[in-house]
Amino acid sequence: QQQVKQSPQSLIVQKGGISIINCAYENTAFDYFPWYQQFPGKGPALLIAIRPDVSEKKEGRFTISFNKSAKQFSLHIMDSQPGDSATYFCATGKSTFGDGTTLTVKP
Amino acid sequence: EPEVTQTPSHQVTQMGQEVILRCVPISNHLYFYWYRQILGQKVEFLVSFYNNEISEKSEIFDDQFSVERPDGSNFTLKIRSTKLEDSAMYFCASRVSTDTQYFGPGTRLTVL
Repeated sequence: QQQVKQSPQSLIVQKGGISIINCAYENTAFDYFPWYQQFPGKGPALLIAIRPDVSEKKEGRFTISFNKSAKQFSLHIMDSQPGDSATYFCATGKSTFGDGTTLTVKP
Repeated sequence: EPEVTQTPSHQVTQMGQEVILRCVPISNHLYFYWYRQILGQKVEFLVSFYNNEISEKSEIFDDQFSVERPDGSNFTLKIRSTKLEDSAMYFCASRVSTDTQYFGPGTRLTVL
């Protein structure tokens, strides 16, 4: 089964800091790489997504960096806020999700 | 703002019983999905549905599972004979033709 390896499993960041979550994938057939944010008791919500024809995409405080040759992509959260505390999942396409990263932003 | 809705929010059933989980996707969406998430674990893809047929399914989606779009608004997941390991949150998702999926709030299934 194709895997997506996500790291770290958990992350604690101070308010105002940068949160970085990484994913490595195997299947190069996918052309859609999203990041989802999930709060306890809620469904995942699309945060930001990228296609492999670009190396970076920025939306507000959230940036995806994509390295096609290394088969890796990462999520950067700038100026992290306590409200960003959630679980973040990367995915390849619609069917393969990473294990999730629990982010805690301390005030 | 339109949203995906799911009912019930929590379903408790006995092992071996049939359950039907219901979803109402966003009205103009064309692609429909079911996922499950065992407590504290990652989201797992079950099945995708388009044009009234299954377009893709995972190894998890065996003969005990079925999906149906009985009318123009509902999308259901049936588990014929529930097992203890079916206990999980089940999420429905839908999208138009773009990639952006919208997830519902989930149904927590507890199999006793």
